[in-house]
Amino acid sequence: KQEVTQIPAALSVPEGENLVLNCSFTDSAIYNLQWFRQDPGKGLTSLLLIQSSQREQTSGRLNASLDKSSGRSTLYIAASQPGDSATYLCAVAPGTYKYIFGTGTRLKVLA
Amino acid sequence: DTEVTQTPKHLVMGMTNKKSLKCEQHMGHRAMYWYKQKAKKPPELMFVYSYEKLSINESVPSRFSPECPNSSLLNLHLHALQPEDSALYLCASSQPRLAGGPKASTDTQYFGPGTRLTVL
Repeated sequence: KQEVTQIPAALSVPEGENLVLNCSFTDSAIYNLQWFRQDPGKGLTSLLLIQSSQREQTSGRLNASLDKSSGRSTLYIAASQPGDSATYLCAVAPGTYKYIFGTGTRLKVLA
Repeated sequence: DTEVTQTPKHLVMGMTNKKSLKCEQHMGHRAMYWYKQKAKKPPELMFVYSYEKLSINESVPSRFSPECPNSSLLNLHLHALQPEDSALYLCASSQPRLAGGPKASTDTQYFGPGTRLTVL
């Protein structure tokens, strides 16, 4: 059974700091991996999607990497801003349509 | 338009009530999803419709009944719910990636804002 874990569970950093969020999964047979952010009480916003054949994706200040063999993905956020404060979730797709979400990292960026 | 809409935003119902949650998207996506999210927990997949057919049912109790009337709409019918069913219900859509398909697609999921359900 696929299990997805995110470390740390919570993180508080000063504005401007570069940071790395970690996602680990137990079964390397995945279709893709997505990173999302969720603001309190709101829906999820997709940030980056990495197909199983890819190693990384970039969007603005965000960079996500995928190492299937080790069951790991990282989300790198450059020059963090208070507006980046949210819960960040990774989701692993073991097959088409089916997504298993990680436990999430609650990020707070202090002004 | 990259928006998924959900109605109502909030719903309070008794255990004997029948209610429905609605979800709509106009992005031409052919996969639609229902998730349940409890407080401070990640979303849990409930149902997936692909091309208007139920593709995945994650052993959800029969008091939850999904319906996909057309490619843009997804409903979740609720009946005889329990207080532990109180949660945020999220709808999502995506365009599945097809080998050799006419359009590029990314499997990216677009989520609605959710319906906050309270069962008394």
